[in-house]
Amino acid sequence: QKEVEQDPGPLSVPEGAIVSLNCTYSNSAFQYFMWYRQYSRKGPELLMYTYSSGNKEDGRFTAQVDKSSKYISLFIRDSQPSDSATYLCAMSAISGNTGKLIFGQGTTLQVKP
Amino acid sequence: DAGITQSPRHKVTETGTPVTLRCHQTENHRYMYWYRQDPGHGLRLIHYSYGVKDTDKGEVSDGYSVSRSKTEDFLLTLESATSSQTSVYFCAIRQGMGTGELFFGEGSRLTVL
Repeated sequence: QKEVEQDPGPLSVPEGAIVSLNCTYSNSAFQYFMWYRQYSRKGPELLMYTYSSGNKEDGRFTAQVDKSSKYISLFIRDSQPSDSATYLCAMSAISGNTGKLIFGQGTTLQVKP
Repeated sequence: DAGITQSPRHKVTETGTPVTLRCHQTENHRYMYWYRQDPGHGLRLIHYSYGVKDTDKGEVSDGYSVSRSKTEDFLLTLESATSSQTSVYFCAIRQGMGTGELFFGEGSRLTVL
């Protein structure tokens, strides 16, 4: 079993829809939770960064962490065609503060005009 | 934004040949990482560096070596390439104080025939 599980999709939604992307994990030591966005043939870019549990909002994006359920989510409101990309969740434990991340396999999102 | 240059961007080679991928950063970031990305696996850490001549293994380090003789350069070497090492390789730096704030390069696409 992988440490981080993410449904690869693809997920197709109409423009303006609310998108929900999710990851589950098994390692209770994870304390840092990230969402990266990756456009085709590009490197991933950091979208959201959360420490421990709770919600974080940035514009149309909201990240949620539920450590009791080992479940994280990314919500995209008023989705746009420019949001079409692969979204990768990533996690890290505190120990050593080395920045080593464990990634999910990514969910491919397509937003249709 | 930090500048990361990966070279070569594309390479086709034959089984058994040595290959070196280069990652060059324009700022003095301490931490540098090499990840590989494969369908169904997401991004997996190969090796990382926490300073000049200071490196450590990631989760998929077999068959790879790294060197960092200068702060700005992090080299990934495949001593004898195999077809299983066909992948897209990403270099990253840790940009902020947060353990998960990685900035990725554009990737190097390697095909081993």
